This record gives sequence, structure tokens and C-alpha cells, in this order.
Amino acid sequence: QSALTQPASVSGSPGQSLTISCSGTSSDVGRYNYVFWYQQHPGKAPQLIIYNVSNRPSGISDRFSGSKSGNTASLTISGLQAEDEANYYCYSYTTSTTLVFGGGTKLTVL
Amino acid sequence: QVQLQESGPGLVKPSETLSLTCTVSDYSISSGSYWGWIRQPPGKGLEWIGNIYHSGSTYCNPSLKSRVTISVDTSNNHFSLRLTSVTAADTAVYYCARDGLGGYGGFDYWGQGTLVIVSS
Repeated sequence: QSALTQPASVSGSPGQSLTISCSGTSSDVGRYNYVFWYQQHPGKAPQLIIYNVSNRPSGISDRFSGSKSGNTASLTISGLQAEDEANYYCYSYTTSTTLVFGGGTKLTVL
Repeated sequence: QVQLQESGPGLVKPSETLSLTCTVSDYSISSGSYWGWIRQPPGKGLEWIGNIYHSGSTYCNPSLKSRVTISVDTSNNHFSLRLTSVTAADTAVYYCARDGLGGYGGFDYWGQGTLVIVSS
């Protein structure tokens, strides 16, 4: 199974908004609404920040939002803050009854 | 608050078997949910290894399936990973997690992770 495609890195200034894309296929992202986003700070376990494309778990800031169009999912972070600097991973369920991760995107807050 | 803790050897020799256990606290595995293993090689991204349901049914990453066994022990409230014939490429931080959103990849609780090094 192929990994989902994410940009290796993105950057933005505090207060800005930015979007991280996650490109899949009609067998994963395009087929199901089971797309998840995880935030991982260095040395820490990942944390679920978006589930089922656009839902936020309890306690996750509403500055994080998710969407999907066709085979591509997106994570948007608004009002960028220094604490948002981390690695972000998308994740999807697939038609093979498996799960596939994106390669990860390093977000730098300038 | 569900808590998960990985345990097992931090060093495994090439060609041998990696064995890890994830002990779950403050939640009964028998209550439901799926449980998963994910790994992360140093400096690299996340890789899903496999999931297990409390009934014992499993599904795994096809690239690892021939070497992976995931099992569950509801009486002791833990689940385990066995990875056979390891090589240096299996060196990684191994995480256990609860897939509490239907088994589709929504890992809502994670262990802290344990580093396993494959080396002679």
C-alpha cells in the first residue's frame, strides 16, 4: 500500500492561516470519510486533532479544521501560534481494510 | 482517562523476534474498541502495524503481515505484538494506541512509546 502524499514542510507567521494537503486515491481518501489528522511534537506521542475528515475531539482548538475534496484531504490551521510548530500526519482507512499514513508535514512557525 | 503503557526489550538481535506488550489502565479491553500498534523509525514518519479487536480479530499492514502477530489478553487487560525475523529496518519507537472510533484509524489514546533497537 502506498502512503498518502503530504508536503514535506510548510511554514507561516503567527496569526496567519495555512493549509496542509493530503493526497490519496479513490481507494482511501476518496472512498471513505475516515480521514484523520495527528499532531506530533518532538519526542512525544501523536495526538488526534481531526477525525472523520472534519470533526475535532474534545479539547482540540477550533483553530484546527479539516475538509476533503475528491481524493485530497486538507488540514487548515488558523491564527497560527508558536505551539502549533510540530509534525502533522494524515491517516486514512482503505478499501483493503487497512490503514495508511501520510509521510508527514513539518510545520514551522516563523 | 484511558492509559496505555508499552513494555518489552529495548534491544533485539537481528533475525530474532521482537515482543512487546501494551497494558491498558482505566478501561477494560473487553468493553470494546480496537487496539493498535504503530511504529516510527528514528527521524521518520509513522507506520501502522496492525489492529486487534477485543474478540481477537486482527488486520495488519500488508507489508508486515507475514511477520506480525497481534494478540489480546482480556483477563490481564493487555494486548501484544510479535514481529519475527527482525532487521535493522525494524528499529523504531513502537506505540500502542486505542482506536476508539470504530477501527478506522482514529487513535484517541496513545502510550508514550518504547524504542526498540535491532542490533547485534
